Amino acid sequence: DIQMTQSPSSLSASVGDRVTITCRASQGIRNDLGWYQQKPGKAPKRLIYAASSLHSGVPSRFSGSGSGTEFTLTISSLQPEDFATYYCLQHNSFPHTFGQGTKLEIE
Amino acid sequence: QVQLVESGGGLVKPGGSLRLSCAVSGFTFRDYYMNWIRQAPGKGLEWVSYISSSGSTIYYADSVKGRFTISRDNAKNSLYLQLNSLRAEDTAVYYCCSGYCYGGGCYYDHWGQGTLVTVSS
Repeated sequence: DIQMTQSPSSLSASVGDRVTITCRASQGIRNDLGWYQQKPGKAPKRLIYAASSLHSGVPSRFSGSGSGTEFTLTISSLQPEDFATYYCLQHNSFPHTFGQGTKLEIE
Repeated sequence: QVQLVESGGGLVKPGGSLRLSCAVSGFTFRDYYMNWIRQAPGKGLEWVSYISSSGSTIYYADSVKGRFTISRDNAKNSLYLQLNSLRAEDTAVYYCCSGYCYGGGCYYDHWGQGTLVTVSS
């Protein structure tokens, strides 16, 4: 199974900050990776697909990069509505696996 | 408007069974693969099962293999998950999630709001 190691597990930041979240795959997954945002009590919401493509309707302050084993999600200028938990997901091979999540909190 | 609506969750005793449903509207269901993903209380997301757009290819997480069965009815725009031999550790919110493949790859797309399964005596 492919393990996804996501870091940090939590992060405190302020509105306007630039933040980066990283996911490392235990083996190469090409660009078969997505990023998701989840707010308390809500379903996850899609942000990024194919490691770096923005889903329709997602603000351009979100961006993704990487290929192979190392991937990043960057939020260029945090907005109040961005405080949430973020997950990466590899769908290169079964079982599909999520990172452990990064809880982004207001500093 | 895309909608995925799960139903069928509830309280069940260990060893019991439940059938979850996911009713889909707003997109061409037969063109999408589907997944079930779950989230135990206070925990992260766990992929549970996959079914291809035609239903011919199915995968399960080891934690549910032999106990859960995924299926779909493309005529009814519906996805199902039969949960048997339930254990306390199966307690979670279960989400259905659509997936789409295009020339450049595949991606998970829309998610339902989830249905809570609680396994307790």
